[in-house]
Amino acid sequence: SYVLTQPPSVSVAPGQTARITCGGNNIGRKSVHWYQQKPGQAPVLVVYDDSDRPAGIPERFSGSNSGNTATLTISRIEAGDEADYYCQVWDGNSDHYVFGTGTKVTVL
Amino acid sequence: QVQLVQSGAEVKKSGASVKVSCKASGYTFTGDYMHWVRQAPGQGLEWMGWMNPNNGGTNYAQKFQGRVTMTRDTSISTAYMELTRLRSDDTAVYYCTRGGREDPFDPWGQGTLVIVSS
Repeated sequence: SYVLTQPPSVSVAPGQTARITCGGNNIGRKSVHWYQQKPGQAPVLVVYDDSDRPAGIPERFSGSNSGNTATLTISRIEAGDEADYYCQVWDGNSDHYVFGTGTKVTVL
Repeated sequence: QVQLVQSGAEVKKSGASVKVSCKASGYTFTGDYMHWVRQAPGQGLEWMGWMNPNNGGTNYAQKFQGRVTMTRDTSISTAYMELTRLRSDDTAVYYCTRGGREDPFDPWGQGTLVIVSS
């Protein structure tokens, strides 16, 4: 089955840039979606189709996808961005859906 | 606005079954798949399967084959997920979420905590 690998944690100072990677075999050929989950809350979509943002999501959130790595970038990070972040793709071979292992973002 | 509202928390004994509901509003219920995702305490997100509200078709993750059933009642725009032969490691928050084939999951229900005790 398809596997997505994320770093367990990323720490960054306020105002700096956080980059969260999502590794998968030829992930560049798939559409990647990213979710933010704060403690005790349901996940929220922050980036879809590699780099598009839903309405209401700040421009500070951006995404890219190429080769074997997709990346979620959070610019000018704020304390309110502290959360777990998950990448997700559709595996067309199995018609199943896969989540990454999740990354905890800490704002120092 | 599009909204998914789930049923309340459940406490079950090992070996029992649980059925969680998810009421949709703000969109055409039969127009998008409904997915179920669970999250064990302190763990990541795990996709369980999807149900096509238009025709009742389903596709389950291999891990849950034989134990999970996803159904719907189109008259009340509600999806259901039933998990049988519960074990302690089924203790988790269960979410419903709307999504198409390659479409993202959006929005998500508020989650339903299922606790399985021995």
